[in-house]
Amino acid sequence: EAGVVQSPRYKIIEKKQPVAFWCNPISGHNTLYWYRQNLGQGPELLIRYENEEAVDDSQLPKDRFSAERLKGVDSTLKIQPAELGDSAVYLCASSPLLRTGGEETQYFGPGTRLLVL
Amino acid sequence: AQSVAQPEDQVNVAEGNPLTVKCTYSVSGNPYLFWYVQYPNRGLQFLLKYITGDNLVKGSYGFEAEFNKSQTSFHLKKPSALVSDSALYFCAVSRRAGANNLFFGTGTRLTVIP
Repeated sequence: EAGVVQSPRYKIIEKKQPVAFWCNPISGHNTLYWYRQNLGQGPELLIRYENEEAVDDSQLPKDRFSAERLKGVDSTLKIQPAELGDSAVYLCASSPLLRTGGEETQYFGPGTRLLVL
Repeated sequence: AQSVAQPEDQVNVAEGNPLTVKCTYSVSGNPYLFWYVQYPNRGLQFLLKYITGDNLVKGSYGFEAEFNKSQTSFHLKKPSALVSDSALYFCAVSRRAGANNLFFGTGTRLTVIP
């Protein structure tokens, strides 16, 4: 079974430029997550989707970040314009649809390493 | 609010010796607890989780973890370390009966010395 797929794996851009990341979750997983992992830190949740609905975007900096999951499968995370502080690894994860809440294992993709110059 | 503490940034252990990577947590109510491992330039790989039941949880690659409610700890252990276990390990917690949002610690780098 294929895991979570992300592209690109690496991206280098100049500040103020836009950038987009793509994620394809594990087949059948209804819940999709985007995390940001700064150097030397653990991942931090940016947004969580259940099917096509963003059910938690409280940590997403909405002035410059946006995300979509139009058909409830693939997802795109965009930054426009990028700032120096956005340099990080952006991880996508997926899990089966929640049953009782909190117990489902999240499976992570390899991440996109972003460097903003 | 949920939080996780991994008090050791770095753990070194000789190959063949037992290893322990420490984790303590803070969460309202009962927790779900997870361990993930991250190899260079790769995403996080799931090792094991505690949901309910037996406090000793067995996972992938010979790892296990013990849930201790009174000490709010969930330490990762392995009886005999391998050089290939060298990686970055993350502990995470989520809250029961709520959203499946994981809160991660800052990670512990394990180095197994041949």
